[in-house]
Amino acid sequence: EAGVVQSPRYKIIEKKQPVAFWCNPISGHNTLYWYRQNLGQGPELLIRYENEEAVDDSQLPKDRFSAERLKGVDSTLKIQPAELGDSAVYLCASSFYSNTEAFFGQGTRLTVV
Amino acid sequence: AQTVTQSQPEMSVQEAETVTLSCTYDTSESNYYLFWYKQPPSRQMILVIRQEAYKQQNATENRFSVNFQKAAKSFSLKISDSQLGDTAMYFCAFLMSQGAQKLVFGQGTRLTINP
Repeated sequence: EAGVVQSPRYKIIEKKQPVAFWCNPISGHNTLYWYRQNLGQGPELLIRYENEEAVDDSQLPKDRFSAERLKGVDSTLKIQPAELGDSAVYLCASSFYSNTEAFFGQGTRLTVV
Repeated sequence: AQTVTQSQPEMSVQEAETVTLSCTYDTSESNYYLFWYKQPPSRQMILVIRQEAYKQQNATENRFSVNFQKAAKSFSLKISDSQLGDTAMYFCAFLMSQGAQKLVFGQGTRLTINP
């Protein structure tokens, strides 16, 4: 069974440019998460989806970040415009239900210069 | 709000030794889950072990075991017969069984296994 797939693995952009990350969760998993991990810290939740509904986006900076989960499967996280402080690893995870263990992708390392 | 604290930023042991990583958490909930995740340089978070708070028996997975002290809100990870491949960042994480369904992570412990 394939795991959580994220792309790209690395992205370098100039500040004020837009960027998008893509995530394909494990087949059959209803819950999808986007986490941000700053250097030397643990991941922090940005948004959680139950199927196609965003049920927790309280930590998502909505002035510049947006996300969608098409048909309750794949998800895209977008930043526009990017700021220097957005440099981090963006992790996608999925779980069968929200109170079961989450499986993570390999993340996208974003560098904003 | 739930918080998770890992007080050991870095640890280093020799191959084949036993090492214990510490984790404490703060919650007013009675039903929850605790996890240890491993993050090697590849960045992928890999689940090492899971503990349900209602279970008194400590979870074990091969060379990995936990010491879960619910009253003390402590959840340490013991790695026996450590191997070079155990070198990674280790994160302790908390998940409520109901309500806000998000993993709350500690700051991590960087573990190095030396040959």
